[in-house]
Amino acid sequence: QSVLTQPPSVSGAPGQRVSISCTGSSSNIGAGYNVHWYQHVPGAAPKVLIYDNTNRPSGVPDRFSGSKSDTSASLAITGLQPEDEADYYCQSYDSTLSASVFGGGTKVTVL
Amino acid sequence: QVHLVQSASEVKQTGASVKVSCKASGYNFDTYGISWVRQAPRQGLQWMGWISVHNGNRHYAQNVQGRINLTTDISTSTAYMELRGLRSDDTAVYYCARAKVPSSVIHYWGQGTLVTVSS
Repeated sequence: QSVLTQPPSVSGAPGQRVSISCTGSSSNIGAGYNVHWYQHVPGAAPKVLIYDNTNRPSGVPDRFSGSKSDTSASLAITGLQPEDEADYYCQSYDSTLSASVFGGGTKVTVL
Repeated sequence: QVHLVQSASEVKQTGASVKVSCKASGYNFDTYGISWVRQAPRQGLQWMGWISVHNGNRHYAQNVQGRINLTTDISTSTAYMELRGLRSDDTAVYYCARAKVPSSVIHYWGQGTLVTVSS
């Protein structure tokens, strides 16, 4: 069980907006550590979508956006597309564990 | 461009050890650290540890502490992850990844190495 909690699944129709939450605590997100978001398609290496809470690497569509508040962070996908169907993970650092941690992952299904 | 190329899949017996290699290219190897992340079947990503190539400083996840050893060879730009006392729940795809510090974002990943532990 991860110290970063994500919903197991979210779904939406093409074109809709979905949001994935990542809930932590005062020893990780709440302590000011950055949150990063990855897209993982089975058989491939994870791909970073958002880093340092809100930054998008070049090449990542602006349909993906990140936010952070207090002990939580969120990834939003607007204009959902079929190719967005994948697993999504948040990552941060935990000072109590002295370790980097991933959320449990959220499966996004495009209806 | 940055590349991380990992060693081939392995099949090991319960209780054995495995050593996975990760050869880096396209950047100055000693200016970044290397993180190791694994994914067991039908499970999420799990951070295992990080090593500074520059000074050998290591951070390990609690659930593998005592069984894991991360090393690097600057002369060949290669990082290694050794896991001892293998159990069936160590069956997973293991990834190496470039990370400045343990909390850093991971922009570059290896292709993954499947380690299967069987009795």
